[in-house]
Amino acid sequence: GQQVMQIPQYQHVQEGEDFTTYCNSSTTLSNIQWYKQRPGGHPVFLIQLVKSGEVKKQKRLTFQFGEAKKNSSLHITATQTTDVGTYFCAAQNAGGTSYGKLTFGQGTILTVHP
Amino acid sequence: GAGVSQSPRYKVTKRGQDVALRCDPISGHVSLYWYRQALGQGPEFLTYFNYEAQQDKSGLPNDRFSAERPEGSISTLTIQRTEQRDSAMYRCASSFFDRGLLNTEAFFGQGTRLTVV
Repeated sequence: GQQVMQIPQYQHVQEGEDFTTYCNSSTTLSNIQWYKQRPGGHPVFLIQLVKSGEVKKQKRLTFQFGEAKKNSSLHITATQTTDVGTYFCAAQNAGGTSYGKLTFGQGTILTVHP
Repeated sequence: GAGVSQSPRYKVTKRGQDVALRCDPISGHVSLYWYRQALGQGPEFLTYFNYEAQQDKSGLPNDRFSAERPEGSISTLTIQRTEQRDSAMYRCASSFFDRGLLNTEAFFGQGTRLTVV
């Protein structure tokens, strides 16, 4: 089945520093979604990328989808304490009997020190 | 309701007992997913439905786990003869499924924390 690997598993930064998490797959992805989970909370959708080479921005967050559609990244500029949480990528099956199945990466736990 | 509702929020059960976890998805959402999440880990896929059809149950750990969604809305995840290793957060998510657009943002419920003692 479709699998996505996420690195790093943990990231500690000082407030104001940048942060990047990477998601990689051995197979071509139809799309990639990103979620954020605050401590004690549930995953909340951030964005979906569909097109090869796509780049989307949400304020200080920049999301990229690789040209080969096998990798993706999330970059946060000038982190704030409100960015604390776990960031997950999720890949979706686009064919076969498991059409629509959503598989999550292991997540990157971000800690921001004030 | 406004969001995905799961019940109970917390369940403590004795080893060997059966438990049933309920998920009430957002009205109109076609797809419904069940995940299990350990602390510090990503949601682990268990099974999912489109309407009432169980599309994929490859993530169910063993035959003690089963799920149903008989009318294409509310779903129940049942664990028979619970074991301590079943203790985890069980999460349900739903999405509006569009085959053409694949625009399927998943909305998660608050989860059911299951503890088997």
